[in-house]
Amino acid sequence: DAGVTQSPTHLIKTRGQQVTLRCSPKSGHDTVSWYQQALGQGPQFIFQYYEEEERQRGNFPDRFSGHQFPNYSSELNVNALLLGDSALYLCASSLGPASNEKLFFGSGTQLSVL
Amino acid sequence: RKEVEQDPGPFNVPEGATVAFNCTYSNSASQSFFWYRQDCRKEPKLLMSVYSSGNEDGRFTAQLNRASQYISLLIRDSKLSDSATYLCVVTLISNSGYALNFGKGTSLLVTP
Repeated sequence: DAGVTQSPTHLIKTRGQQVTLRCSPKSGHDTVSWYQQALGQGPQFIFQYYEEEERQRGNFPDRFSGHQFPNYSSELNVNALLLGDSALYLCASSLGPASNEKLFFGSGTQLSVL
Repeated sequence: RKEVEQDPGPFNVPEGATVAFNCTYSNSASQSFFWYRQDCRKEPKLLMSVYSSGNEDGRFTAQLNRASQYISLLIRDSKLSDSATYLCVVTLISNSGYALNFGKGTSLLVTP
């Protein structure tokens, strides 16, 4: 039973570029949430996808966008990268958007913006 | 004011010691509370949920005080393997979904 998988594990980009991160939820899960964790900080909620729609969004600019596919996998896109976007990007999956069941995290994508 | 606040530490304790972490949250409508553990450069993993009645899981005890908007985690008989960052997490559930609000985390180092 595969857990949450994310790709790539590491990525280096330069300012102004665009990046796409990918996430496959745990088998049986249909909801995907994305979090940004800067060094020394706790994870910050970016947005949540369910039924291929963005259901909730944290305090992130429009440069951050996402998508969910019919197979429940998801992508996070960041445009016009800034140095401050350097962080660990975590994907978490669950069953249902309002479920209070255990959230499963992937091991993350470490993004460095130079 | 941050929604979830924790003392970042670090807490350096010897093996076998008892250590307590505290956390406060600002939104009184918050509904669910958790402690997550995060090892260096790894993903957060659920340690335990926190209930108003208090709950215990082996050496770990969690308490919630809704009136004071305060959560605690007590670790007894610390092991070297307990060294990690402990994240206090609060959720607010709406009709459209929910999001976890994480504190910055409290760093624990258990030494021989």
